[in-house]
Amino acid sequence: AQSVTQPDIHITVSEGASLELRCNYSYGATPYLFWYVQSPGQGLQLLLKYFSGDTLVQGIKGFEAEFKRSQSSFNLRKPSVHWSDAAEYFCAVGARGTNAGKSTFGDGTTLTVKP
Amino acid sequence: GAGVSQSPSNKVTEKGKDVELRCDPISGHTALYWYRQSLGQGLEFLIYFQGNSAPDKSGLPSDRFSAERTGGSVSTLTIQRTQQEDSAVYLCASSGDPGAGELFFGEGSRLTVL
Repeated sequence: AQSVTQPDIHITVSEGASLELRCNYSYGATPYLFWYVQSPGQGLQLLLKYFSGDTLVQGIKGFEAEFKRSQSSFNLRKPSVHWSDAAEYFCAVGARGTNAGKSTFGDGTTLTVKP
Repeated sequence: GAGVSQSPSNKVTEKGKDVELRCDPISGHTALYWYRQSLGQGLEFLIYFQGNSAPDKSGLPSDRFSAERTGGSVSTLTIQRTQQEDSAVYLCASSGDPGAGELFFGEGSRLTVL
C-alpha cells in the first residue's frame, strides 16, 4: 500500500528565509507525486507535480520540488518565503493511470512565517 | 461555475441524524472525488466517480456512508445515523483528466456531530 510521511508537523521561518518541507513516500513503483497548499478556510490548490523526466520540478508561487528515488523523497523548497506563504502544505502520492487522482495524502505541515 | 462548489459550508447535526453534502464540480470535469479531512489529519479518500463507470467506493469507512452522482455532474454524499467520529471537513474535488492526477478542490463542508 502507498503511504506518505511528512515528518514536520509545524515549521516556522522568517520572511525572506529559505524553506524546505520534507516528504517521504512508500510506493511499489515510481508514483505520481504532488504538493498541495491549503490556506485557512480554503480548499487545496496544486503547487506542483512530478510525473516523469526532470527530477526537479517547478511550480506556482516560486516553489520547486526535487524527486529523489534513492531516498523516496519529494521535498518542497522555496528560496525566499513571503508572509502570504503561511498555510498548510500537503504532499500526496498517486498511482499511475486513471487512478492518479485517488491520491494518498500526508498529514500536512503547517507553515508559520515570522515578520 | 468557475470552481468546485460545495454546500453547505457548515453543518451541525445531532448524533443519529442523517446528513447530505452536495458537490457541484467544474463544468466538463468527468472525474469527481470525495475526501475527508479530520482535525490535524491528512486527507482520507472516500469515493471516486469517473464518467459512467461504477464508482470506486473502496474508501468509504462504513455502510452508513453513500454517494451518488446524477447526470455525470452534481454529487451528493450521504451519511446516515451520524456519529461523533464523523465530524470532519468533507472535501470534494474534480478533475478533467484523471490520468494527470491534478485535483481541483472545493472549500469543503465542515460537519460537526454533537
